[in-house]
Amino acid sequence: QVRLQESGPGLVKPSQTLSLTCSVSGGSISSDNYYWSWIRQHPGKGLEWIGYIYYNGDTFYTPPLRGRVTMSVDTSKNQFSLKLSSVTAADTAVYYCAREATTVDHNWFDPWGQGTLVTVSS
Amino acid sequence: EIVLTQSPGTLSLSPGDRATLSCWASQNIHSNHLVWYQQKPGQAPRLLIYGASNRAAGIPDRFSGSGSGTDFTLTISGLEPEDFAVYYCQQFGSSRTFGQGTKVEIK
Repeated sequence: QVRLQESGPGLVKPSQTLSLTCSVSGGSISSDNYYWSWIRQHPGKGLEWIGYIYYNGDTFYTPPLRGRVTMSVDTSKNQFSLKLSSVTAADTAVYYCAREATTVDHNWFDPWGQGTLVTVSS
Repeated sequence: EIVLTQSPGTLSLSPGDRATLSCWASQNIHSNHLVWYQQKPGQAPRLLIYGASNRAAGIPDRFSGSGSGTDFTLTISGLEPEDFAVYYCQQFGSSRTFGQGTKVEIK
């Protein structure tokens, strides 16, 4: 059973860079049929997809965040990471990592990590 | 970007009732690319339905999905106490976007 676990600072100062890591256990990150995503949820709000990375390093970011987001993957550690630069209070959210499964016909996000709250404040 | 609009925002129902949740897309989406999730307070979303109508593993058959084009529906036939939660639709047709959610609350 694949499990994902986010880790990283829970408090980031404005203008700094938010950095999170997602550790994958129970399966290899280097699988052909999976993309590895970051999704966030502002307090009391809906879900916002940030982007994904493939095990070979290919990335796709959501346009509104494209200039501030960088994702990376470390296959030796079975981890992938998110960096979001120049953060403001509007980036305060619960950040989830999730696996996107792809088949010939379908895609879905499953499983998800438990989520980690990142607060942007001085 | 494809915008997903869910209706209603809140659904107040009693256990045993039938719940009908709607998700409208701003552009046509292939039904293969529409997914539904359930989220309970303090928890990550849980996959319910993929490809508009396919139940994920372990999901009870009281959950069903339907629709095509721009109009999709999640139906819960006979609400159980554990079904009171927020439900999100999500699309993979163009980038990835989520609806704003429908909260199913106890009446």
